[in-house]
Amino acid sequence: DGGITQSPKYLFRKEGQNVTLSCEQNLNHDAMYWYRQDPGQGLRLIYYSQIVNDFQKGDIAEGYSVSREKKESFPLTVTSAQKNPTAFYLCASRPRGQSSTDTQYFGPGTRLTVL
Amino acid sequence: AQSVAQPEDQVNVAEGNPLTVKCTYSVSGNPYLFWYVQYPNRGLQFLLKYITGDNLVKGSYGFEAEFNKSQTSFHLKKPSALVSDSALYFCAVRDERGGSYIPTFGRGTSLIVHP
Repeated sequence: DGGITQSPKYLFRKEGQNVTLSCEQNLNHDAMYWYRQDPGQGLRLIYYSQIVNDFQKGDIAEGYSVSREKKESFPLTVTSAQKNPTAFYLCASRPRGQSSTDTQYFGPGTRLTVL
Repeated sequence: AQSVAQPEDQVNVAEGNPLTVKCTYSVSGNPYLFWYVQYPNRGLQFLLKYITGDNLVKGSYGFEAEFNKSQTSFHLKKPSALVSDSALYFCAVRDERGGSYIPTFGRGTSLIVHP
C-alpha cells in the first residue's frame, strides 16, 4: 500500500448525500484509477486519469464524478445518483511513460456504507 | 476486449501442500498477464507478471505462475502453502481503451489454507 493513501478507511453516509473519497499518491505517477469492489464481482473500473486535468469514464461511471487538478490527487465523489453506493473503493496509480506493462500500486481502500 | 476468467470462487488446501489458483485468458495478440493478492480490508499487492519469455514466472512470497499458450491459461502456483497465504487472489490482463492500457481483473479466488 505504500505511497498511496486513501481516507477515511471507513465512511458512513445517509442516503441522498454526496460523499467524496480522498486518494493521494507521492509516487510521482501520472496515471490514477478508481475501482469499486463488491463481493464476488472482482474490481470494476469507475474512472481513470492518465494525466492532470484529464480523465475518462470506466465501466461503471454513472453516479460518480472525479477531478484531477493535481498530479498527486484524484478524489472520487459518490453522488446521490449512485443507486447502490455501499462498497469497498480502491484507488490505484501507475507510472506512465514507462512500459505499459508496469504494474499498478493500490491504496488501502475506503469502505463506504450508506445507511 | 481482453478478459480473464477465474473459474473457482474458492480454493481450499492444507498447509504444506502445493496450491494452484486457476486463470484463463482471452486476448487478441500477445497477452500481458498479472497476479495480485488482497488481504482482508486492504488494497491489492502485485505478485508477478508475464510479458514474454519464460513460461514459468517467479514472483513474491514464493509464488510462481505458468503461462500456457495452448491452453490460454496462467495458473498461480506455490509448492508448499502457508496459512498466511490465505487471501483473495486476482488475475488481470492488460487491455487497451482509447489508446490507454488498463488492467482488466478477474472476479477473484479466495484461497483458504487450513492448518
